[in-house]
Amino acid sequence: QVQLQESGPGLVKPSGTLSLTCAVSGGSISSSNWWSWVRQPPGKGLEWIGEIYHSGSTNYNPSLKSRVTISVDKSKNQFSLKLSSVTAADTAVYYCARVGIYYDSSGPTYYFDYWGQGTLVTVSS
Amino acid sequence: EIVLTQSPATLSLSPGERATLSCRASQSVSSYLAWYQQKPGQAPRLLIYDASNRATGIPARFSGSGSGTDFTLTISSLEPEDFAVYYCQQRSNWPPNTFGQGTRLEIK
Repeated sequence: QVQLQESGPGLVKPSGTLSLTCAVSGGSISSSNWWSWVRQPPGKGLEWIGEIYHSGSTNYNPSLKSRVTISVDKSKNQFSLKLSSVTAADTAVYYCARVGIYYDSSGPTYYFDYWGQGTLVTVSS
Repeated sequence: EIVLTQSPATLSLSPGERATLSCRASQSVSSYLAWYQQKPGQAPRLLIYDASNRATGIPARFSGSGSGTDFTLTISSLEPEDFAVYYCQQRSNWPPNTFGQGTRLEIK
């Protein structure tokens, strides 16, 4: 059973950099899966931030791309998120998730099948 | 970017009733659509993938249908634990993956 656990500071100052790590257990980050970050502002919906493959290939949400860096550390079986120049609008619960692979007649499809419990990051001075 | 619009925003029903939730895409996503359930204080849980396939361990009372731009999640007979927020998500045209704004299913 794959488990994911987010960690990092719960409070970040405006204009600072938000840094989170997601530790993966029960499976290898070097598997055929992508690994993703999703956030949810308090009382609001879900927003995809980006994803990474163990090779280091990344995809980012265009709305956040200029501020986001996702990296992977295969030796520690974990991946990380950095979000720069944060404002109060970046206050949210941040989730890490595995992108599971499913197969239909057209080939593989990809959805979020395992999630961390989430960690609240508040941007405030 | 594909926009997903869910309706209704809130659905008030009683246990045992049938729930029908809708998700409409701004352009075709073929069948590349998933449904997630989220309970307060918890992470989302994958219910349905590729529009109509139940994820592992999901009860048969949950079913999904649709293709192209119009999708439906049906819960045939509501159990007390089904009252939650439900999100649809597309993976057809990415990045970005996009989610709907959610439908809150509440006890009447």
